[in-house]
Amino acid sequence: KQEVTQIPAALSVPEGENLVLNCSFTDSAIYNLQWFRQDPGKGLTSLLLIQSSQREQTSGRLNASLDKSSGRSTLYIAASQPGDSATYLCAVRKAGKSTFGDGTTLTVKP
Amino acid sequence: KAGVTQTPRYLIKTRGQQVTLSCSPISGHRSVSWYQQTPGQGLQFLFEYFSETQRNKGNFPGRFSGRQFSNSRSEMNVSTLELGDSALYLCASSVQDGELFFGSGTQLSVL
Repeated sequence: KQEVTQIPAALSVPEGENLVLNCSFTDSAIYNLQWFRQDPGKGLTSLLLIQSSQREQTSGRLNASLDKSSGRSTLYIAASQPGDSATYLCAVRKAGKSTFGDGTTLTVKP
Repeated sequence: KAGVTQTPRYLIKTRGQQVTLSCSPISGHRSVSWYQQTPGQGLQFLFEYFSETQRNKGNFPGRFSGRQFSNSRSEMNVSTLELGDSALYLCASSVQDGELFFGSGTQLSVL
């Protein structure tokens, strides 16, 4: 059974800091890994999708890496802003089913 | 291009009733999956449909069921509601095994 863990559960940083969120998974036979952000009471917004054959993806200030062999992914956020405050979730997909971590709640203080 | 649309946005029901939630995927997406999100359990996979066929099912009781129509729209039904069914129900669509796009969810409260 796939298990996904995200550390830390919560993170508070001052504006402008670079930060890294971690995601680990137990079954490395995944099809892809996706990072999302979720604002309170809202749906999930897709940030980055990494296929199993890829090592990283970049979008603006975000960079996500994937190391399948070690079962790890990181989401790097550069020059954080108060608008980045949200919960960030990772999900791994295999055989049509996605398994989510519990998320990291990020607070960026002005 | 319109996103994933879920209706209704909010729903209040009493124990024992049943409820039907609707999800319209992004045009061209044939895969629709459903998730339950609660503060205690996080995001839990309910089931996935592709071209009107259920491909995967999560570990939920038979009171939770779904279906997908020929236009890829999907419905989820919960019968004999329990207090513990109170949650945010999220629907996502994708091309087969592709990037997931989520709707805004239906917030269900069971009293």
